[in-house]
Amino acid sequence: AQSVTQLDSHVSVSEGTPVLLRCNYSSSYSPSLFWYVQHPNKGLQLLLKYTSAATLVKGINGFEAEFKKSETSFHLTKPSAHMSDAAEYFCVVSDNTNAGKSTFGDGTTLTVKP
Amino acid sequence: KAGVTQTPRYLIKTRGQQVTLSCSPISGHRSVSWYQQTPGQGLQFLFEYFSETQRNKGNFPGRFSGRQFSNSRSEMNVSTLELGDSALYLCASSLNTGGAYEQYFGPGTRLTVT
Repeated sequence: AQSVTQLDSHVSVSEGTPVLLRCNYSSSYSPSLFWYVQHPNKGLQLLLKYTSAATLVKGINGFEAEFKKSETSFHLTKPSAHMSDAAEYFCVVSDNTNAGKSTFGDGTTLTVKP
Repeated sequence: KAGVTQTPRYLIKTRGQQVTLSCSPISGHRSVSWYQQTPGQGLQFLFEYFSETQRNKGNFPGRFSGRQFSNSRSEMNVSTLELGDSALYLCASSLNTGGAYEQYFGPGTRLTVT
């Protein structure tokens, strides 16, 4: 069984300040973890993924995430928020041993204030 | 490469009718997954097809069905529509089945049931 919890449903930051979106996961097996972003009325876009290689993963648009097995966390960070980062973010866990079934978190809405 | 395409983009149906949604994956991708996204339930996995075979299924009633063709294109069918089926239906393709493969999402089909 697997599950994912996004600890904040809404996060608000000022432009130019750091972003932290928190994600905890649970998985019976060695998981793959992903972060996706969804802008209004659009599909989801992959930001980054972890698949048991380096624990610090760099993604697109300056985002990165660190896999911490001891804390079962995969938090998403960005040093400096941009207005265009305002969107909904989803943390996803997939079981490497199972074919293609992914579990999505409930999403975190990021607001960026000017 | 062209992205994942979904048709139609918008659909309005009446309770009791049935509907078919279509998804064309990225060229070379053999795995297609379907998700339902609603404000109340978030993103929920419907099913995954790989090489014309259903590999995984979520917890949806039998009114929701799908299939995949030899060219990897996929269709999803919902019979006897209910008001609660109103949602954004997202299709995602990936290179192969297995949780380690990232998914590429289409823009979705917005279904409204009246």
